Amino acid sequence: GAGVSQSPRYKVAKRGQDVALRCDPISGHVSLFWYQQALGQGPEFLTYFQNEAQLDKSGLPSDRFFAERPEGSVSTLKIQRTQQEDSAVYLCASSTDRGSSPLHFGNGTRLTVT
Amino acid sequence: AQSVTQPDIHITVSEGASLELRCNYSYGATPYLFWYVQSPGQGLQLLLKYFSGDTLVQGIKGFEAEFKRSQSSFNLRKPSVHWSDAAEYFCAVVDSGGSNYKLTFGKGTLLTVNP
Repeated sequence: GAGVSQSPRYKVAKRGQDVALRCDPISGHVSLFWYQQALGQGPEFLTYFQNEAQLDKSGLPSDRFFAERPEGSVSTLKIQRTQQEDSAVYLCASSTDRGSSPLHFGNGTRLTVT
Repeated sequence: AQSVTQPDIHITVSEGASLELRCNYSYGATPYLFWYVQSPGQGLQLLLKYFSGDTLVQGIKGFEAEFKRSQSSFNLRKPSVHWSDAAEYFCAVVDSGGSNYKLTFGKGTLLTVNP
């Protein structure tokens, strides 16, 4: 597609449920990133993939968060046993390379945990 | 650790007025610097970036930003604001060294434009 696509657009989960958020990056983009944006805050880095390799997961808030990109294209961010503090917009971004290449962001998935 | 400060949470300007959004960063060396814009319900769009060279950089939509090393600042400017510029603006930095992929964002400045 023309841009980064994320689904679902909105997700409401009851506390304790597991959720899976999908990201379709721009075709051919090597790098893929997940960011978490809490209400009224700037995005915060969660994790980084280069192709299928997860090179940095230092931003994942807890071991309930897991991300994968098994074939180096589509990525899934999974949150197990959701908590209210997980409520946020989850942004995916892709780029042709790291660092100097501009990031192309998706519109995000707004997760609300009730 | 690097950090970004955007001192103004909310700014209101009249259409046609000039605009300056402030950004200060804390980092040992010169990072890569970015400004992004986010409209409601949308992802972030890159306005402009600075890596090296000329300290005044031009971006899209008539925006420019000036890197001032002595002040650790990278302020965003526009000479005449349009109603469509109403959005949230984020300044961000990236380590120009080894971890040159991890963006650190400020908390954002919400811009309201009055007719």
